[in-house]
Amino acid sequence: EAGVVQSPRYKIIEKKQPVAFWCNPISGHNTLYWYRQNLGQGPELLIRYENEEAVDDSQLPKDRFSAERLKGVDSTLKIQPAELGDSAVYLCASSLTSGAYNEQFFGPGTRLTVL
Amino acid sequence: AQTVTQSQPEMSVQEAETVTLSCTYDTSESDYYLFWYKQPPSRQMILVIRQEAYKQQNATENRFSVNFQKAAKSFSLKISDSQLGDAAMYFCAYRYNAGNMLTFGGGTRLMVKP
Repeated sequence: EAGVVQSPRYKIIEKKQPVAFWCNPISGHNTLYWYRQNLGQGPELLIRYENEEAVDDSQLPKDRFSAERLKGVDSTLKIQPAELGDSAVYLCASSLTSGAYNEQFFGPGTRLTVL
Repeated sequence: AQTVTQSQPEMSVQEAETVTLSCTYDTSESDYYLFWYKQPPSRQMILVIRQEAYKQQNATENRFSVNFQKAAKSFSLKISDSQLGDAAMYFCAYRYNAGNMLTFGGGTRLMVKP
């Protein structure tokens, strides 16, 4: 069974440029999460989707970040415009449902460097 | 708000020896889950072990076991017979039973010496 797929793996951009990350969750997983992991720290949740609905986006900086999960499968996270402080690894995870017991499976992440 | 603290930024262990990674957390809830995740240098995070707060018995998965002290809000991970492949970042995480957000600690980098 294929795991969570993310692309690109690495992205280098200049500040003020836009950038987008793509995630394909494990087949059949209804819940999708985007996390941001700063260097030397643990991941922090940005947004959670239940199917196509964003049900928890309280940590998403809405002035520059946006996300979508059309048709409740793939998801895209966008930053426009990027700032120096956005440099981090962006992790996507998925789980069967949102229940606390359900294991979250993580993708390899996208390492973003903003110059 | 829940917080998770890992006080050991780095740990080192000799191959085949045993190492214990520490984790403490703060919560006012009584029903929750605790997790240890492993993140190798390739960055794909995988679940190592899970503990339900209502269970008194400590979870065990092969060479990995936990020491769950609910009253002390402590959740340490013991790795026995350490192997070179155990070298990674280890993250302790908390999840409220009725909630959906994982709260992670800052991580502990484990180095395994041959």
